[in-house]
Amino acid sequence: EVQLVQSGAEVKKPGESLNISCKGSGYSFTSYWIGWVRQMPGKGLEWMGIIYPGDSDTRYSPSFQGQVTISADKSISTAYLQWSSLKASDTAMYYCARLTAVAGFHWFDPWGQGTLVTVSS
Amino acid sequence: SYELTQPPSVSVSPGQTARITCSGDALPKQYAYWYQQRPGQAPVLVIYKDSERPSGIPERFSGSSSGTTVTLTISGVQAEDEADYYCQSADSNGTYVFGTGTKVTVL
Repeated sequence: EVQLVQSGAEVKKPGESLNISCKGSGYSFTSYWIGWVRQMPGKGLEWMGIIYPGDSDTRYSPSFQGQVTISADKSISTAYLQWSSLKASDTAMYYCARLTAVAGFHWFDPWGQGTLVTVSS
Repeated sequence: SYELTQPPSVSVSPGQTARITCSGDALPKQYAYWYQQRPGQAPVLVIYKDSERPSGIPERFSGSSSGTTVTLTISGVQAEDEADYYCQSADSNGTYVFGTGTKVTVL
């Protein structure tokens, strides 16, 4: 079974750093892109960026470029989403999802269970 | 930036048909995908490549495309279909976008 398992909920203060993870299993981790998606409280889905663990090729949404860092460690089939200095506005649920991107087809499936990040002083 | 527009809400009685539209200028050139997000859960893919249904998704879910609009149709709506639904596509620059989302309420 293809599965993405994310790290647990986090409560942080403004200005702190954070690293959340997404571990893939049941498929060749280096052969598919992994995407990150933000969902702020009561709001819709926002695409943040993607990484190809095979060669660490990374692409960001213009809205998130410079705000977060996406990385991956293919030796342990894990992708990461990192912040160097959190803001209260980073409070949201964050999802990872496997991206199938083949010959003009691009879809996210499956999704991780989500990681809730709360930033509050 | 590229946008996909959906109606904020759709209400439907059990057994009736719900139709959710998604409009975007690039849709004639790019496929659309649909996700269901039940309260407190992660999104689940229900339609890919405009009209294909993944294994395990009930046959009452179908998709269609016409010009700049794609449509998700839920035939014979059941109480368990009450959820938020999002369309998604890609643009020619290799970036991705989700629609604004539609809340389906089963009366």
